[in-house]
Amino acid sequence: GDSVTQMEGPVTLSEEAFLTINCTYTATGYPSLFWYVQYPGEGLQLLLKATKADDKGSNKGFEATYRKETTSFHLEKGSVQVSDSAVYFCALPGGDSWGKLQFGAGTQVVVTP
Amino acid sequence: DTGVSQDPRHKITKRGQNVTFRCDPISEHNRLYWYRQTLGQGPEFLTYFQNEAQLEKSRLLSDRFSAERPKGSFSTLEIQRTEQGDSAMYLCASSSPVADLLNYGYTFGSGTRLTVV
Repeated sequence: GDSVTQMEGPVTLSEEAFLTINCTYTATGYPSLFWYVQYPGEGLQLLLKATKADDKGSNKGFEATYRKETTSFHLEKGSVQVSDSAVYFCALPGGDSWGKLQFGAGTQVVVTP
Repeated sequence: DTGVSQDPRHKITKRGQNVTFRCDPISEHNRLYWYRQTLGQGPEFLTYFQNEAQLEKSRLLSDRFSAERPKGSFSTLEIQRTEQGDSAMYLCASSSPVADLLNYGYTFGSGTRLTVV
């Protein structure tokens, strides 16, 4: 079935460093792809999405480009802040029509001052 | 609207006891989902409602688990005869049909953390 694989964490960075979190997917066809973020003590929030190949999703300084040739959707941010410390999840639809999502294992990001 | 509310936030129970969690979705959302998240893992789908109808259940949802959504508003998830393996964060999410189909813009609650001792 459809699935995503994320790089393992934790990823520890200094403030203003460049962040990349790798995500690759396995799917039939070209599904929409998503990044969700979970801040400490909170529920998951949709961070960004891309609905077709070559689309770039962006939000809060984060970007991810849907690459069908490499089946990837890597998340990037050019200059992280302490407030970006969170767990980031890559996700794609589970193959059904009503909105089930298949999540990766999550990557914890820790940004130090 | 205060978003998706889950109650309780934390629950500690002894093995073998029954527990029930509640989820109040965003009022205009007709779709409601339950996910389970264990430490170091992403959320895993458990079940889904459209209005009051439960349309899909994961094989993760054993016979000890039951979910309801009477009147298509709030939902409850009950676990009978809890086991230590049930310890996890139970997440509820809701969405409207348009957001669901076009954006998968789930709104998640903060979750109920269950610890079975």
